[in-house]
Amino acid sequence: QITLKESGPTLVKPTQTLTLTCTFSGFSLSTSGVGVGWIRQPPGKALEWLALIYWDDDKRYSPSLKSRLTITKDTSKNQVVLTMTNMDPVDTATYYCAHTGTPRSGMDVWGQGTTVTVSS
Amino acid sequence: QSALTQPASVSGSPGQSITISCTGTSSDVGGYNYVSWYQQHPGKAPKLMIYEVSNRPSGVPDRFSGSKSGNTASLTISGLQAEDEADYYCSSYTSSSTLGVFGTGTKVTVL
Repeated sequence: QITLKESGPTLVKPTQTLTLTCTFSGFSLSTSGVGVGWIRQPPGKALEWLALIYWDDDKRYSPSLKSRLTITKDTSKNQVVLTMTNMDPVDTATYYCAHTGTPRSGMDVWGQGTTVTVSS
Repeated sequence: QSALTQPASVSGSPGQSITISCTGTSSDVGGYNYVSWYQQHPGKAPKLMIYEVSNRPSGVPDRFSGSKSGNTASLTISGLQAEDEADYYCSSYTSSSTLGVFGTGTKVTVL
């Protein structure tokens, strides 16, 4: 059974850096085709792609947020970490991590999400 | 890249069929068979309902079906049930982004 769980601060101040960790089980990020992505959803708004990392360390980023994002993986710890710099109140959202077993074929298992508020 | 366009809301009575459209361009929906659909209940994480235009993951009822014509993909829910009331998002691979793009979302109401 594949599970993912997001963790990180619930409140960050403007200009600070956000670090979120996705801890997963039930699969290996060393297996060909597997990827873990981050998606966010501001309150009452649509889903938005942030970043995705594949088994071969191929990394993909949202073009509009690329300069602020870094995604890394620790295969031995079964974790994927997302950092987002220069946080702003508009970054207030629920942040999800999710699994894909085949590139481009959809995110088939999602974490429960973690809510991050950006406020001074 | 611009979000895919979905109707804000669609409604139907129990037992009826409804269809949600997802309109993109030849650079995303029209150019690739990599359209996915997600269901999201309030306060819950999205759930994959359809992948690669028309494939259902294990456990998804066959009341849910997907299709595509040109630059528009569609999700049809047949035999609408109360538990189908949720938000639905489409997603597509796009040549303008290495990540893909989501739709604007559709709220389905069961009358």
